This record gives sequence, structure tokens and C-alpha cells, in this order.
Amino acid sequence: ETGVTQTPRHLVMGMTNKKSLKCEQHLGHNAMYWYKQSAKKPLELMFVYNFKEQTENNSVPSRFSPECPNSSHLFLHLHTLQPEDSALYLCASSQMGTGYGYTFGSGTRLTVV
Amino acid sequence: GESVGLHLPTLSVQEGDNSIINCAYSNSASDYFIWYKQESGKGPQFIIDIRSNMDKRQGQRVTVLLNKTVKHLSLQIAATQPGDSAVYFCAERGGTSYGKLTFGQGTILTVHP
Repeated sequence: ETGVTQTPRHLVMGMTNKKSLKCEQHLGHNAMYWYKQSAKKPLELMFVYNFKEQTENNSVPSRFSPECPNSSHLFLHLHTLQPEDSALYLCASSQMGTGYGYTFGSGTRLTVV
Repeated sequence: GESVGLHLPTLSVQEGDNSIINCAYSNSASDYFIWYKQESGKGPQFIIDIRSNMDKRQGQRVTVLLNKTVKHLSLQIAATQPGDSAVYFCAERGGTSYGKLTFGQGTILTVHP
């Protein structure tokens, strides 16, 4: 298991459902990220949290709502998604200011039906 | 109409051969570069990194080469094994330790026994 844990690993939801993805990092990092990974596309940055404050929202539709209650936990709340939102959602963390890269979780495979 | 996804570059090698995966980056101010490996069903895992004040760095069976003149990064894997089969991403960080990583689209490496 990596230092970044994501749950659930797989999620199937209908377009009218509300669900949440959870990410927890055990590395003492001060920044957390949500990425979307679709087939044959580069990783797409969605949100950045630095010291619990959202510092970037990369033009993400409002049906995705992030929450960062503390520097170790990050949520992505999902509501009225579309089938094209089906993808692998990856959480990552890093220690900003130290110049090192990100540690990724294993992702949540989301299917919207 | 139907959208067509990108075709990821692919590299097929025989077990025991050396592999070279290439990446071009765009930001001349980028000061830090990372290679990630992503196996099926998993999140990206750190392989090796290099700072812009270096042109070569070696790890266990892996070497990263950086050519800042032509903004090119490569990953060399010695004696490639079937377990090396994965998608490999390069990532660059632009200019400051607070800069976020920008990821390439990835290369699919397939190792045949």
C-alpha cells in the first residue's frame, strides 16, 4: 500500500446519484491534488489544495465538488455526473517547497451509467 | 460527432533488451523532471528524477538523460523485464518549488518474454 490511500477502488453510479471519493495521505505532505485520467489522454489536473486551501480549480464543472477538511484528507463529491465523466480519478500529495514530486494513490475507477 | 482519443506512443521490446523512452518538454524554465511508471489498475509510481543542473542520473537499471538545449528527456531501462510493461510518463515542474507538475501523455512499453 502506498502512502496515499484512495477509496473506493471502483465505483459505479447512476447519473442522478451522489457519491464521494476519499483520499488520505500518511506522508505529512502539505499539498493534495485531484487528477482525472481518461483513456489515451494525459493526466488532467482538477484541483489543488495547499495547506487545506484550494489554490487551483482547473475549470472543473460544478458537478465535481472538492473538500479538504485537513492536510491529510481530501474528498471529491460527485453529483449528477455524465457518462463522459467515467475515468480513473487519482489523488496525489506532495510537500510544496521541498522540490520533490508527487506521490499518487491507486485511484478510483469511476463508471457513470 | 464521436471524439477520437490520442494514440499513445508504443514501444515493444524483447525481454533482456534495453529500452529507451523519450519525452519532449516545452517550458525552458522547468527545473525538475520526473519519470513515473503506471501499471494497469494502479496509480503512477515514481521511478527516477533529475534536476536541471544535471544531465544524467542513474538508478537501479534505469538512467535518465536530460538535454536542455533541445528540451528532451529520456528514460533508459537496462535488461528490460516483463514486469517493466506499463505506461511511462514524464513530468516537468516549471521554475519554482511551488510550481505544479505538468505530465506528458505517456508511452506504452510492452516487454515480450
